[in-house]
Amino acid sequence: GQNIDQPTEMTATEGAIVQINCTYQTSGFNGLFWYQQHAGEAPTFLSYNVLDGLEEKGRFSSFLSRSKGYSYLLLKELQMKDSASYLCAVRDTTGGFKTIFGAGTRLFVKA
Amino acid sequence: SAVISQKPSRDICQRGTSLTIQCQVDSQVTMMFWYRQQPGQSLTLIATANQGSEATYESGFVIDKFPISRPNLTFSTLTVSNMSPEDSSIYLCSVEDRTGEETQYFGPGTRLLVL
Repeated sequence: GQNIDQPTEMTATEGAIVQINCTYQTSGFNGLFWYQQHAGEAPTFLSYNVLDGLEEKGRFSSFLSRSKGYSYLLLKELQMKDSASYLCAVRDTTGGFKTIFGAGTRLFVKA
Repeated sequence: SAVISQKPSRDICQRGTSLTIQCQVDSQVTMMFWYRQQPGQSLTLIATANQGSEATYESGFVIDKFPISRPNLTFSTLTVSNMSPEDSSIYLCSVEDRTGEETQYFGPGTRLLVL
């Protein structure tokens, strides 16, 4: 089966850096996504990792280690608008291609 | 990128009735997905809708309760049948894009409240 774990909540200060961790277990790994979701809105795509290493995209970076079943999302120069839920999701090929979501990490950015 | 629209955006329904949610995509896509997101929780995959074949349902979801149609490559419907208050949730349609950067796009969601 699949299992995705990430912290429930985190708090960080405006201008700081925050790292949101995600561990996963899946039998047919085919990529890991990070999504941002503001309250009352649909998720929006942030990053995709399928190979080990770091992917950088502006203030956001995502890291993947397939051997450890581990990923993190790094947010730099935090802004108040970054307060949102961050969803780790894994694409699994078991029984057909599908993307399974973790419970999400609610990030609160304070002044 | 893909632009997805859903109808209705929200509805309030009575127990025992059924609601059909429509999902329209502005480009042809092979796979469409239906998710449910209950208040304060993450997304749960209901089923994968493929054009020309039966939908594939995840554990805990059955066709009699959530029948799905996929008549062409740009459209799908999800019906929530014989609704109960436990079905109150946000229902989201989603598609994958593998033509460029791998990503998954979501519709704006349908907010359903069952009384």
